[in-house]
Amino acid sequence: GAVVSQHPSRVICKSGTSVKIECRSLDFQATTMFWYRQFPKKSLMLMATSNEGSKATYEQGVEKDKFLINHASLTLSTLTVTSAHPEDSSFYICSALDDRRYKAFFGQGTRLTVV
Amino acid sequence: AQTVTQSQPEMSVQEAETVTLSCTYDTSENNYYLFWYKQPPSRQMILVIRQEAYKQQNATENRFSVNFQKAAKSFSLKISDSQLGDTAMYFCAFMSNAAGGTSYGKLTFGQGTILTVHP
Repeated sequence: GAVVSQHPSRVICKSGTSVKIECRSLDFQATTMFWYRQFPKKSLMLMATSNEGSKATYEQGVEKDKFLINHASLTLSTLTVTSAHPEDSSFYICSALDDRRYKAFFGQGTRLTVV
Repeated sequence: AQTVTQSQPEMSVQEAETVTLSCTYDTSENNYYLFWYKQPPSRQMILVIRQEAYKQQNATENRFSVNFQKAAKSFSLKISDSQLGDTAMYFCAFMSNAAGGTSYGKLTFGQGTILTVHP
């Protein structure tokens, strides 16, 4: 069964609005979670590292004010796409690092469409 | 910084046959993990197999096995007795084992290989 749950799986929003995506680790505590973006038939591009209780670390070229990340508990990280534009339309995937097993487990992904 | 290269954009295989997907990587670290992930049309990322760099023995998981050549920085995936359900995009990935480092837990992915299993 899924050990990382990502919600929603699909969302359509209007330009200028904000969208929140949740990522939950279900059977382990994750001090570190990661957010990726993926274009069709392409690899995963790391956007940011989410650390429980501290600020997220963003990869070069990723706007931190546009992609707000909050990791308020050991099982939940959220990504908020603010003032969404059509070019933000993409597939977003989270992963949670299981420190004990040293494995990363992925959520189901969220397909965001901005109209 | 680490890099991961998958030089085969697409591969195909007949059902029940064996196929090998290639992966090379570059790193200056000595202690790390390597992974193969499968992404079927549902786009759920599924962990297929993991290899610890300090282990010489190649990892195996049922029909999936790897050929890990540390000196050559090569990490290929062999799928035996291919099944239709193996059709997916496969990603090779590198993870540093430097606890406390800035790369801790980060996965660096290759470009991916689309595998199609034909009946």
